[in-house]
Amino acid sequence: GAVVSQHPSWVICKSGTSVKIECRSLDFQATTMFWYRQFPKQSLMLMATSNEGSKATYEQGVEKDKFLINHASLTLSTLTVTSAHPEDSSFYICSARDGGRPGHNEQFFGPGTRLTVL
Amino acid sequence: DAKTTQPPSMDCAEGRAANLPCNHSTISGNEYVYWYRQIHSQGPQYIIHGLKNNETNEMASLIITEDRKSSTLILPHATLRDTAVYYCIVRLSQTGANNLFFGTGTRLTVIP
Repeated sequence: GAVVSQHPSWVICKSGTSVKIECRSLDFQATTMFWYRQFPKQSLMLMATSNEGSKATYEQGVEKDKFLINHASLTLSTLTVTSAHPEDSSFYICSARDGGRPGHNEQFFGPGTRLTVL
Repeated sequence: DAKTTQPPSMDCAEGRAANLPCNHSTISGNEYVYWYRQIHSQGPQYIIHGLKNNETNEMASLIITEDRKSSTLILPHATLRDTAVYYCIVRLSQTGANNLFFGTGTRLTVIP
């Protein structure tokens, strides 16, 4: 149980295009999902917190108009990198908290999406 | 959330126990200790968590000192597939305090 998937697993795009990354909780309802970014040889950095049916909360320094987050259902959150540039190339990872397990606050992570912007 | 300190890297012989330490001297009474690991180019994987008592599951054991200022994650019989970066995180375990702040972790290398 507690499986989180991401799609695509990797993507290469041209500079200036937009890329959408999907994060799905496969066997539980995720009231809250999180988006992280990880540059090579660095740790994960939280970008934003996404709550189902409401606006995402972005961490300081993360442009909300560039990284659009939509959490339209309890099993799906999407991150759209708009007008991508080479400096946006990174490993994007989502996680989800199982809202149906009160008192259990583990986050379950997706496998990550590697974005390369040419 | 309290800050944690971990050694940057460790080696362990295959088949031996891997003991990964973590210092969290500023931990508060209602903060839990969580351990995650990240194998190269994959998302982090939850391992174990605890508050005061030692915990054990199918993956590992967590030993928390009586004063809760430090803990040790034990992989009883390390395999090559346990090579990963291990993150020790202390955080509140309650609704509304969900963020995970990853430090630099310990890069564990299991040697054949």
